[in-house]
Amino acid sequence: QKEVEQDPGPLSVPEGAIVSLNCTYSNSAFQYFMWYRQYSRKGPELLMYTYSSGNKEDGRFTAQVDKSSKYISLFIRDSQPSDSATYLCAFPDNYGQNFVFGPGTRLSVLP
Amino acid sequence: DGGITQSPKYLFRKEGQNVTLSCEQNLNHDAMYWYRQDPGQGLRLIYYSQIVNDFQKGDIAEGYSVSREKKESFPLTVTSAQKNPTAFYLCASSTAGPVSSYNEQFFGPGTRLTVL
Repeated sequence: QKEVEQDPGPLSVPEGAIVSLNCTYSNSAFQYFMWYRQYSRKGPELLMYTYSSGNKEDGRFTAQVDKSSKYISLFIRDSQPSDSATYLCAFPDNYGQNFVFGPGTRLSVLP
Repeated sequence: DGGITQSPKYLFRKEGQNVTLSCEQNLNHDAMYWYRQDPGQGLRLIYYSQIVNDFQKGDIAEGYSVSREKKESFPLTVTSAQKNPTAFYLCASSTAGPVSSYNEQFFGPGTRLTVL
């Protein structure tokens, strides 16, 4: 079993749709849960992070963590063409030194 | 403005040549990282450094070398021993803290290396 698995995509949705992006992880020691957004030919940038189970909202984005199921999700409401990017889930490892990244899901929001 | 710079943006290499990718940060971060990104495979860790004059191998270090002589600089050399070097290379930095604290990795814009 891979340490982190992510919906493979690619995912295409019409503008205004609600998008759900998901990751599962196997290491129960992960304490922080992050989502990075990467535009084509650019470096990833942190979109959201959360520490505990539950939901965290930031504008049109909601990060959801279910530690018992080792499952995290990123929801995008009212998706826009500018949301078209690859989304990577990320987890600092047990020693706080390195990050484990999911393979990414490429999202296209069509106008 | 604080951030991470990588150069060059595009790099072409002939087979058998060594090339060096530059990474500089002015965020005063202790830790720096090099990743390789291939389509559909996400980010794979090549090398990382938590402190000046010290670095550790990541998951795919073979065929690569690094140095960390200054806090702000972490160059990566892709040697001729790397059999399939064509990829997108990303440098990142973060504060180096205990596992209980929040650390964010900041990424540079990347270098796309193509072997001719």
